[in-house]
This record gives sequence, structure tokens and C-alpha cells, in this order.
Amino acid sequence: DQQVKQNSPSLSVQEGRISILNCDYTNSMFDYFLWYKKYPAEGPTFLISISSIKDKNEDGRFTVFLNKSAKHLSLHIVPSQPGDSAVYFCAASAVGNQFYFGTGTSLTVIP
Amino acid sequence: EAQVTQNPRYLITVTGKKLTVTCSQNMNHEYMSWYRQDPGLGLRQIYYSMNVEVTDKGDVPEGYKVSRKEKRNFPLILESPSPNQTSLYFCASSLSSGGPPPSTDTQYFGPGTRLTVL
Repeated sequence: DQQVKQNSPSLSVQEGRISILNCDYTNSMFDYFLWYKKYPAEGPTFLISISSIKDKNEDGRFTVFLNKSAKHLSLHIVPSQPGDSAVYFCAASAVGNQFYFGTGTSLTVIP
Repeated sequence: EAQVTQNPRYLITVTGKKLTVTCSQNMNHEYMSWYRQDPGLGLRQIYYSMNVEVTDKGDVPEGYKVSRKEKRNFPLILESPSPNQTSLYFCASSLSSGGPPPSTDTQYFGPGTRLTVL
């Protein structure tokens, strides 16, 4: 059973606007969450992460929000750029040993 | 250049013919892991290793073996491949096993190995 879910397979956003990618999880033991970005024919690359002791982490145009009570996290990209077009994976771990990834959301930023 | 390398990048084989996909990292990372990516299923962890001679099953270990004899290498072995192991495989490494703060726990992924089992 999928412990990390990304219910939106795809998302299209105009350049300059905000992109919001969502992720839900079921395991309350998860204490560390990450977002990875993947271009075609390449491996995923780390984007941003958040510990369960925080509810927000920001890095430049990227902000991750964590709502532990709802078991939900989201990635905000502001402003969105065409180079952000990629597949975004949400991932979670408990005690940092085993990682669970979502199914990915394909983001297209339209110029 | 810091990197994770995988070989081969593409492989077509037949059912039952043993194969090994190599993974090597040059960052002196302790943690290494193998994932498979399938449509609609995302990335699923096959095996991981916390350090030399320490390996553990991930979410989908059936049909796979790994070994960690050296810190830099973490080969994935398919003793008797079957068509349901046709997938895109990624190796990854990180400095430590994870947990806050994030600066030491970024996983670096290799470029992927596309395996087809006929």
C-alpha cells in the first residue's frame, strides 16, 4: 500500500505564477520529508526537505509546508519558471533508514 | 566531480540469465540504496545499506540481492531475472542514513539503468 501519495499526476502553471504540488502520507512515524526533482533521462535531484519538528522550510523560490495533523505536505514554487518543468517526487522516511516515495507530479510551466 | 555512476545504462536480457548492475560513488558516503521506478508506482526502495557489510530490505526486495563489501560500491544482483523486473533502476547515496538536519542527508542519485527482461 502506498504510504506516500501524490494525487495529481500533472500540473500546468503559467510562468511567473505559483506552483503548488501536494503530497499526503499515511504513516505517522515519518519524521523527515523531502522533495526531489527529476528531468527525463536523469536521476532525481534533491530540492528541499523538512523535519517533522518544523512546519515550514524555505530555500529561495521553493518553500515546503508540513501539516502533521493532516499528514500533508506541499511544495510551493514562486515564481514558476520554464526550467522548473520536471517531475517532482515527494519522499518520506522514519528514523532516516528507509525512504518512501510518491508517484510523482509532472509540472509544466508555460512561458 | 562528485557523482554516483551506474553501469550499464541500458540492458536487454532474457528470463533467468543472471545479471549485475554496478553502482559506485566517490563521495565517501555511508548510505547507499537501490530504487526501481515504474509508471504509476513512483520510486520504490529495493535494498539499502547503512555502511560496509550492513544491508537491509526496502519495500520491494524480492528477486534481488545486494552486497556492500566496499564503501564506494553497491552492486544490485538479479540471480534469475523475470519480466516483472523490467524497470528503470536508480542507485543513490548519502553521507549518513538520514534525519535532521537535512544538510548531511541529501541522497545523490545515479543516472539510472533501464532494464528490459524478455
